Amino acid sequence: DAKTTQPPSMDCAEGRAANLPCNHSTISGNEYVYWYRQIHSQGPQYIIHGLKNNETNEMASLIITEDRKSSTLILPHATLRDTAVYYCIVRVAPIIQGAQKLVFGQGTRLTINP
Amino acid sequence: DTEVTQTPKHLVMGMTNKKSLKCEQHMGHRAMYWYKQKAKKPPELMFVYSYEKLSINESVPSRFSPECPNSSLLNLHLHALQPEDSALYLCASSQVLGLLKDTQYFGPGTRLTVL
Repeated sequence: DAKTTQPPSMDCAEGRAANLPCNHSTISGNEYVYWYRQIHSQGPQYIIHGLKNNETNEMASLIITEDRKSSTLILPHATLRDTAVYYCIVRVAPIIQGAQKLVFGQGTRLTINP
Repeated sequence: DTEVTQTPKHLVMGMTNKKSLKCEQHMGHRAMYWYKQKAKKPPELMFVYSYEKLSINESVPSRFSPECPNSSLLNLHLHALQPEDSALYLCASSQVLGLLKDTQYFGPGTRLTVL
């Protein structure tokens, strides 16, 4: 699976949009971008994933550049509860039935400030 | 129900003890996972079960012994652990699909301390 690079930490004011970047310059055509987050002392939580089109769900939006070498996770109105470590993971979606293998990088520690 | 439960929440054990961690899910997922997470580090995959069969072992020492007695339960048996095995042990589950939506659901973890 392709390696990802994320800034180690970021700060954002409460109520503002938090934009978390991720570089994955060696991504292949069949590799998806996944985002998980881990709030302190909890298990990781799935946020969103995408292949090449921008994606949006109730938690966040995912913007993937046209060349797919980078992406941005957007939390539109950050709250204090969004303080967490955010992991960007690139992996191949299984083409046959089988369990997945997630390889977590170091992630970005996002702090939302009041 | 999208919950993965893990027991116990905390466990302290000596190096000669035998203990077990338990994980349970009722989402009908046929893949289950064990991860180990040291402080301030990302989770690291240990084992993967698919359809109750061990499909991935990430070269984990034999003092960790996984077991999947049925599709809802996953155990991790611990024996003769070392202090460096102290960590948060996370369980996760997922559908086993060949399509797009194959997210993993994680439990809250068991915080293990080996004395």
